[in-house]
Amino acid sequence: ILNVEQSPQSLHVQEGDSTNFTCSFPSSNFYALHWYRWETAKSPEALFVMTLNGDEKKKGRISATLNTKEGYSYLYIKGSQPEDSATYLCASVNNAGNMLTFGGGTRLMVKP
Amino acid sequence: GAGVSQSPRYKVAKRGQDVALRCDPISGHVSLFWYQQALGQGPEFLTYFQNEAQLDKSGLPSDRFFAERPEGSVSTLKIQRTQQEDSAVYLCASSFGDTNTEAFFGQGTRLTVV
Repeated sequence: ILNVEQSPQSLHVQEGDSTNFTCSFPSSNFYALHWYRWETAKSPEALFVMTLNGDEKKKGRISATLNTKEGYSYLYIKGSQPEDSATYLCASVNNAGNMLTFGGGTRLMVKP
Repeated sequence: GAGVSQSPRYKVAKRGQDVALRCDPISGHVSLFWYQQALGQGPEFLTYFQNEAQLDKSGLPSDRFFAERPEGSVSTLKIQRTQQEDSAVYLCASSFGDTNTEAFFGQGTRLTVV
């Protein structure tokens, strides 16, 4: 994988549903993987920065896992709420370390 | 303020006009990034500063794009002779250290070239 890819591109779920989405990134020269949450008309906000293979991080109802050997990360949201509606971006950093390479994002819409 | 501030929030430019977009990072943040986000896509890297040094400008799409951070704090992204394809949201982000620390983003400048 040469680019950072996210799937699905968009997702509609019902309030209370749990959901997850995927970020695939180049596994060679891996340095760090970032997840951001971007609500309309606001700034992207960091959720997690992960560096170690097998890392699992959690913030409230949101958690993420990291597999650096196969080049993927999952973001999970348990019991989705309407306020979780946002675009979720992941970004990979290689060991040149100069920049975040972003995926296209997953747009989540949670219906009440 | 406590966050990254970008100005203007919105800019409409006539094709061929020069524009300057400003970014005020969080005080003390060493790293500063500029990203371009076209509609429906993820942010694309433009350039990176460490203090006043521009360490990577590989993402700047043409020589019409120029960025500076002369005193290691405020940064300006300048686009000369704007074209319609330059229409996008321009995001600035800063971080205290390396790219294994979270980046803090501004709200972006939406540039529309007509």
